[in-house]
Amino acid sequence: NAGVTQTPKFQVLKTGQSMTLQCAQDMNHNSMYWYRQDPGMGLRLIYYSASEGTTDKGEVPNGYNVSRLNKREFSLRLESAAPSQTSVYFCASSENFSNQETQYFGPGTRLLVL
Amino acid sequence: AQSVAQPEDQVNVAEGNPLTVKCTYSVSGNPYLFWYVQYPNRGLQFLLKYITGDNLVKGSYGFEAEFNKSQTSFHLKKPSALVSDSALYFCAVRDRNTGGFKTIFGAGTRLFVKA
Repeated sequence: NAGVTQTPKFQVLKTGQSMTLQCAQDMNHNSMYWYRQDPGMGLRLIYYSASEGTTDKGEVPNGYNVSRLNKREFSLRLESAAPSQTSVYFCASSENFSNQETQYFGPGTRLLVL
Repeated sequence: AQSVAQPEDQVNVAEGNPLTVKCTYSVSGNPYLFWYVQYPNRGLQFLLKYITGDNLVKGSYGFEAEFNKSQTSFHLKKPSALVSDSALYFCAVRDRNTGGFKTIFGAGTRLFVKA
């Protein structure tokens, strides 16, 4: 099992450009999440999908959209990138949408917006 | 408001010595508590969690953590540090009484283990 995979690993964008970060998991998990990690801060939740067909905003959703394409895949889209979106983005999944569940993280996408 | 504090940005330990990475939390209800480790250019890996029961939780790679309700702490410990333990460690908390799902992560503590 690959676990949680993310593409691309690294991306440079110019302000105003758009891009989609891809995430897939092969653990048959129901719930998936997108986080961003900034220096000196813990991870902050951008969006989550409790189950296939549902998505909800997290702590910092502005400037992002998501799509839960199917049970395996959960993409994050930046419609018009801004320098403030320079960050490392992590996708995660958990078996169910429960406070007790362990999350499993992908390797991250490092995004630089110029 | 819910919060997690990791008071030390960095912890330095000699190989073979015990290590402690501190975490305190503030939630309105009772917490679920987690520790994750992040190696360079990798995602977070789960180490251990406290859900209920015994306050001493044992996890991966010889790590353990003790839930102390009166001190609202969940410090991560290991009896004998290895150089390979050098990484970034995150404490995380969820309020079990809050509907839905929200994880608050600490800012992280960088552990350096010197040979």
